[in-house]
Amino acid sequence: GIQVEQSPPDLILQEGANSTLRCNFSDSVNNLQWFHQNPWGQLINLFYIPSGTKQNGRLSATTVATERYSLLYISSSQTTDSGVYFCAVVPSGTYKYIFGTGTRLKVLA
Amino acid sequence: ETGVTQSPTHLIKTRGQQVTLRCSSQSGHNTVSWYQQALGQGPQFIFQYYREEENGRGNFPPRFSGLQFPNYSSELNVNALELDDSALYLCASSLAAGTDTQYFGPGTRLTVL
Repeated sequence: GIQVEQSPPDLILQEGANSTLRCNFSDSVNNLQWFHQNPWGQLINLFYIPSGTKQNGRLSATTVATERYSLLYISSSQTTDSGVYFCAVVPSGTYKYIFGTGTRLKVLA
Repeated sequence: ETGVTQSPTHLIKTRGQQVTLRCSSQSGHNTVSWYQQALGQGPQFIFQYYREEENGRGNFPPRFSGLQFPNYSSELNVNALELDDSALYLCASSLAAGTDTQYFGPGTRLTVL
């Protein structure tokens, strides 16, 4: 089956720093989403981005489906950005989301 | 527009018991998916329902079963609970199966003793 790898696995930033999270997938996909999971377990949808680039405030994302990767950019990080970031893909020909390995982010004040 | 809701929030059961978890989809959404998230892991797809029919299943045994009702709310049933079933169970709804944004509920944390 498809493999979805995220890097780095762990990241510690000082407040105000920028970061780039990466999601690599091993096969073609119909769909890709980025989520932020807060400390209470709630998965918050950040981007629905099967291809192209989107921006929402301090966050932006780019997916290059032909090269099988997606990037999530966080600028001017805040302590509330802490948590686990997941990408999730829907492999072509299926309906089920496969989640990546996650990046655990901690932003220090 | 109401978001995805799940009940109960927390649940404690003993090995061998049965449990039912509930999910109300976001208004207008006809697709519901269920996920299991063990501690420190990413969510694992259990199954998906589209207009009351199961249309996809992950690698979970038959003792994990589900239902979707005409109002598109859904239940997850787990029989013969095992210790490894302890996890956060997440429900997500979307407008269409596999091709649209999924919105997640807050989850039900199940502990099996």
